[in-house]
Amino acid sequence: AQSVTQPDIHITVSEGASLELRCNYSYGATPYLFWYVQSPGQGLQLLLKYFSGDTLVQGIKGFEAEFKRSQSSFNLRKPSVHWSDAAEYFCAVGSGNYGGATNKLIFGTGTLLAVQP
Amino acid sequence: EAGVAQSPRYKIIEKRQSVAFWCNPISGHATLYWYQQILGQGPKLLIQFQNNGVVDDSQLPKDRFSAERLKGVDSTLKIQPAKLEDSAVYLCASSLMRAGMDQYFGPGTRLLVL
Repeated sequence: AQSVTQPDIHITVSEGASLELRCNYSYGATPYLFWYVQSPGQGLQLLLKYFSGDTLVQGIKGFEAEFKRSQSSFNLRKPSVHWSDAAEYFCAVGSGNYGGATNKLIFGTGTLLAVQP
Repeated sequence: EAGVAQSPRYKIIEKRQSVAFWCNPISGHATLYWYQQILGQGPKLLIQFQNNGVVDDSQLPKDRFSAERLKGVDSTLKIQPAKLEDSAVYLCASSLMRAGMDQYFGPGTRLLVL
């Protein structure tokens, strides 16, 4: 069965420091992978996605993620964190065909990011 | 472009009562999803509609949860009767069919069952 693991429940970084959030997935075929961010009281916002091609994906707000098939990972990175990046981050794998009818998302449990001044 | 709208934003009820949530997707989005997000967990899909037909409701507790999407636009999710473990945020999302999995989420309805 498809699953997503985010091993870090909570991470604290200093403002201006680099960030890497880990995500490991289990999926039988080529996965469609996503990172979402959720600010308090808000819905989820799509940061970036991977479904084919270049394994290094650029997203909004200066985030990027790298798909590594050999490690079943899709880690999220940012070179310099801003205080406004404090939020909860969710990795997800798409179950089904991209563009198909049964394209539900399976989410990890999330990583809560705190940013110290 | 207006986003996904949900109401109410917050709801507090007692167990065994009923409650309903409303979602208005982005205009033109054929696919609509309801997710349940329990505190400390990622969202879990409850039901997916394609226009007004159900595509996937395998994780919907059908003895107490129901959902409909009349006319293929707005959707309502109902819980009757509610249990304590239904306390969660209920997220609605929508997507264009041809865009596949680019799902756009609403702000959610936070439900507390006492």
